[in-house]
Amino acid sequence: SQQGEEDPQALSIQEGENATMNCSYKTSINNLQWYRQNSGRGLVHLILIRSNEREKHSGRLRVTLDTSKKSSSLLITASRAADTASYFCATAGFVISSGSARQLTFGSGTQLTVLP
Amino acid sequence: NAGVTQTPKFQVLKTGQSMTLQCAQDMNHEYMSWYRQDPGMGLRLIHYSVGAGITDQGEVPNGYNVSRSTTEDFPLRLLSAAPSQTSVYFCASRARLDTQYFGPGTRLTVL
Repeated sequence: SQQGEEDPQALSIQEGENATMNCSYKTSINNLQWYRQNSGRGLVHLILIRSNEREKHSGRLRVTLDTSKKSSSLLITASRAADTASYFCATAGFVISSGSARQLTFGSGTQLTVLP
Repeated sequence: NAGVTQTPKFQVLKTGQSMTLQCAQDMNHEYMSWYRQDPGMGLRLIHYSVGAGITDQGEVPNGYNVSRSTTEDFPLRLLSAAPSQTSVYFCASRARLDTQYFGPGTRLTVL
């Protein structure tokens, strides 16, 4: 089953507006990452937020993390048509001695469309 | 650095054929993974490796084999292709829990 689940599944906004996407997860994490995927292309890493951080900024991106609610949000401010893409959250568990729970688990993504 | 490279970019197979998807990285990353991406399903982990000589199964390993003889290479083998394996395959690498780098993907169609 998916660890991270994005909400909404699809979002359509006008250029210049802000876009907010949410991610919920089920188990404790070491960090949470957001990725972007343009149609027909590979994934590109956007931002990583660690479990002891509450908010992080990168350019027009703002990510928040609430570990008590097991949720994260990605805010894209002043959106542009070039921001049209699918956005995925991925969670990384803790490294433990058996070697398990070290891989990233991805959600099914939010399809963002920014209309010019 | 070339990053993560994958070959081929496109492949069409007939049911029952076998093939190997190649993946290489030049960043000396310990961790490498294979994912498949299907419409509406997001990325699902097939197999992963935490270092040369060490591999483990992911969420959907059936029908696939992997090996990790070197740090750089992590090939994915389809032993007997089935239409259900029609998908886009991504290889990725990362250092510990840090940023994951993805290859450009291989689009596989099984007839």
